[in-house]
Amino acid sequence: QSVLTQPPSASGTPGQKVTISCSGSSPNIGSNYVSWYQQLPGTAPKVLIYRDNQRPSGVPDRFFGSKSGTSASLVISGLRSADEADYYCAGWDDSVNGWVFGGGTRLTVL
Amino acid sequence: EVQLVESGGVAVQPGGSLRLSCAASGFNFDVYTMHWVRQAPGRGLEWVSYISMDGSTIYYSDSVRGRFAISRDNSKSSLFLQMNSLRSEDTAFYYCTKDYCRGSTSCYFESWGQGTLVTVSS
Repeated sequence: QSVLTQPPSASGTPGQKVTISCSGSSPNIGSNYVSWYQQLPGTAPKVLIYRDNQRPSGVPDRFFGSKSGTSASLVISGLRSADEADYYCAGWDDSVNGWVFGGGTRLTVL
Repeated sequence: EVQLVESGGVAVQPGGSLRLSCAASGFNFDVYTMHWVRQAPGRGLEWVSYISMDGSTIYYSDSVRGRFAISRDNSKSSLFLQMNSLRSEDTAFYYCTKDYCRGSTSCYFESWGQGTLVTVSS
């Protein structure tokens, strides 16, 4: 059971917009920044969003992060087949003095 | 270019010990916080441990505290994870990750190695 809650799966067709949610609580999302990671099949994770809504250089602006209270969201617009991957949210948790991850959301592009 | 190369992952029996290494290059290793993150086959990501730039600040997840020890050798740009009293549930890919932040602060996992597989089985 993960500290941060994500839907196990999401799907969309090419060109569509999909939203992946991440629900936490006061000591984690409510008090600290959220980051998002993309893991393509058979590869190591890669950061997509940091500090709730910042994109590292090289990450297209089709990926958008937001946060409100104890929940965060990752929105992927203009969906492409190359976006098929597992997506994870993460944040520092003050109550356990450690990082916590969501269980991951597998995105399927139909 | 940041490179993180993990090594040391093998098959080991329950109760055994193992030491993982991570060779870092392409950045000033001695000023960045570093982490180990693991992923059981077919499962999600789990943070394991973090160490500040000088080793003065260390944190562990509840699942490994008291059994694992993180360390670093800044003179060799290397990160280590000593794993003792291994259990079947420790079976996972172990990723070495570089934090974005320097010093003793942790911000996010900016760079990842390719991982090394630890299998704990009799």
